[in-house]
Amino acid sequence: DSGVTQTPKHLITATGQRVTLRCSPRSGDLSVYWYQQSLDQGLQFLIQYYNGEERAKGNILERFSAQQFPDLHSELNLSSLELGDSALYFCASSPEGGASTDTQYFGPGTRLTVL
Amino acid sequence: QQQVKQSPQSLIVQKGGIPIINCAYENTAFDYFPWYQQFPGKGPALLIAIRPDVSEKKEGRFTISFNKSAKQFSLHIMDSQPGDSATYFCAASIEDSGYALNFGKGTSLLVTP
Repeated sequence: DSGVTQTPKHLITATGQRVTLRCSPRSGDLSVYWYQQSLDQGLQFLIQYYNGEERAKGNILERFSAQQFPDLHSELNLSSLELGDSALYFCASSPEGGASTDTQYFGPGTRLTVL
Repeated sequence: QQQVKQSPQSLIVQKGGIPIINCAYENTAFDYFPWYQQFPGKGPALLIAIRPDVSEKKEGRFTISFNKSAKQFSLHIMDSQPGDSATYFCAASIEDSGYALNFGKGTSLLVTP
């Protein structure tokens, strides 16, 4: 158990809908990363937050957005969902997120299925 | 564009064998190279990591070899066990992107008894 929690575990929704994925980092970790894992694209970095502020952006679509709250939990919002958004979404946390030696601890993921 | 290329896609070895997984990168600014292990239904977990000022790092049965001039690094698993059967991902990161991980596409390893 990494100490990172993600809810829900599974999510099934329809095209065009909007969903919110939630992540609670390990106690004391300030940095949260979001990754998408799909069969064709593999594991891809979406976005990083550090202590409430956006720090880095990866291959995140404009239909997707995220935020980190004062209690350091984070939410990933996916809107106007398409079939291709079906994937596993992982959240990872690290103590600082600014040092190469900071280990990223991954949560168990949320499996999103768009029908 | 895949910044880290990983091979092979899958690998089958017998117990006790030494599977080797290779990765190559282009961006010479990368300064941290971790390997992650993922079991079905779980999130990836850090296995071992190396910085480019070191050519080899060993932790237990896992060894990373790093060739800075060739921009390649590899994972060796000594005395592999059936419990090592998992998907392995190499990754690379850089300070400019908050050390977000650029992953290879993964290698599915099966260790047979």
